[in-house]
Amino acid sequence: AQTIHQWPVAEIKAVGSPLSLGCTIKGKSSPNLYWYWQATGGTLQQLFYSITVGQVESVVQLNLSASRPKDDQFILSTEKLLLSHSGFYLCAWSPPGQGRNTLYFGEGSRLIVV
Amino acid sequence: QQKVQQSPESLIVPEGGMASLNCTSSDRNVDYFWWYRQHSGKSPKMLMSIFSNGEKEEGRFTVHLNKASLHTSLHIRDSQPSDSALYLCAASMQGGRALIFGTGTTVSVSP
Repeated sequence: AQTIHQWPVAEIKAVGSPLSLGCTIKGKSSPNLYWYWQATGGTLQQLFYSITVGQVESVVQLNLSASRPKDDQFILSTEKLLLSHSGFYLCAWSPPGQGRNTLYFGEGSRLIVV
Repeated sequence: QQKVQQSPESLIVPEGGMASLNCTSSDRNVDYFWWYRQHSGKSPKMLMSIFSNGEKEEGRFTVHLNKASLHTSLHIRDSQPSDSALYLCAASMQGGRALIFGTGTTVSVSP
């Protein structure tokens, strides 16, 4: 069975400080990987997706960057946090290829920027 | 403009009652729909998917899809307090890889 693990679970960070959020998927080879952001009670905003190692497509620029250093790992980062970065960050995976691909989410990382 | 619109924004349903949620897309490139449920403080979990015209039932949940109007609806019968959550409609675009999510409907089931 596939498992998806996100870290950290929660963070409180200062404005201007760096951030790194991670996601690991086990049990699935070459998955599509995604980062989504959710404001409290709001919709999910897609940020990045990746179909293979070393390749990342940006959907929305929010002064964030993403990388896929390994087949099973997806990293979201920034060098300088803004207050607007607060929210719930969700990593998701789907089977490789296009089409009727259900997204499966990790448990999320909650970020508060102060 | 939001490509996937949901209504109503919120809904209060008595325990044992029926909840009906709607979702429409304004983009003709949409091809498939999903419904996700997100309990407070948790991540979204896929509830049902529907890819062709018609109706699909799984337990207390029924989903309808009209591809011509790009409209899908989710119906929850015999609503339970555990059904209280944010319900998110998601759509895929032809040639796209990520899902686009609607603004959600918050369902509260009152005992």
